[in-house]
Amino acid sequence: DGGITQSPKYLFRKEGQNVTLSCEQNLNHDAMYWYRQDPGQGLRLIYYSQIVNDFQKGDIAEGYSVSREKKESFPLTVTSAQKNPTAFYLCASSIRGGEDTQYFGPGTRLTVL
Amino acid sequence: AQTVTQSQPEMSVQEAETVTLSCTYDTSESDYYLFWYKQPPSRQMILVIRQEAYKQQNATENRFSVNFQKAAKSFSLKISDSQLGDAAMYFCAYRSVFQGAQKLVFGQGTRLTINP
Repeated sequence: DGGITQSPKYLFRKEGQNVTLSCEQNLNHDAMYWYRQDPGQGLRLIYYSQIVNDFQKGDIAEGYSVSREKKESFPLTVTSAQKNPTAFYLCASSIRGGEDTQYFGPGTRLTVL
Repeated sequence: AQTVTQSQPEMSVQEAETVTLSCTYDTSESDYYLFWYKQPPSRQMILVIRQEAYKQQNATENRFSVNFQKAAKSFSLKISDSQLGDAAMYFCAYRSVFQGAQKLVFGQGTRLTINP
């Protein structure tokens, strides 16, 4: 059963703590992405990766970090430097990084207490 | 920079009727891709339909079709025979074809309600 999984579904963090969101895909896609969604807004790109061991900043990368050590995994760390981290985070993947359609995981809701 | 505008924050339609959601975009590029995504209450983004700008023929997927007007930079979504399961947020998105242009640029969404 192919797809994109994100965990956890809900995540709570105290201010000043780093937290890592998981994204895994078994679609054999080369490219992976992280987006953030705030209430009443569309999605904004945080980071993307076209191949293993390579990633690029998106529009709102400040306060976030990523790694791409394996093709199927693209974890996102929300650091204490992120000023307003409470949001819904969506991971996506595509066959390649070019014209291919991006498919999304179910998302993680992060709340900072 | 490209922008996508959805001017209808909310729309409603009677079950079994047809509804059209509007989307306009701004770009200086001649080739690009346009998408409609659906976000139901589960919040997972689901691809509804995709259009390549170089294709004049409007894309269709079962009850979903688009009206792509390249000169007017308009990309509306028509849902025919609306069903209760169509209730969701709908997002229009733009993607450049250029190398390195990896992101989808999203509109702010339209919330669609289906009245039984």
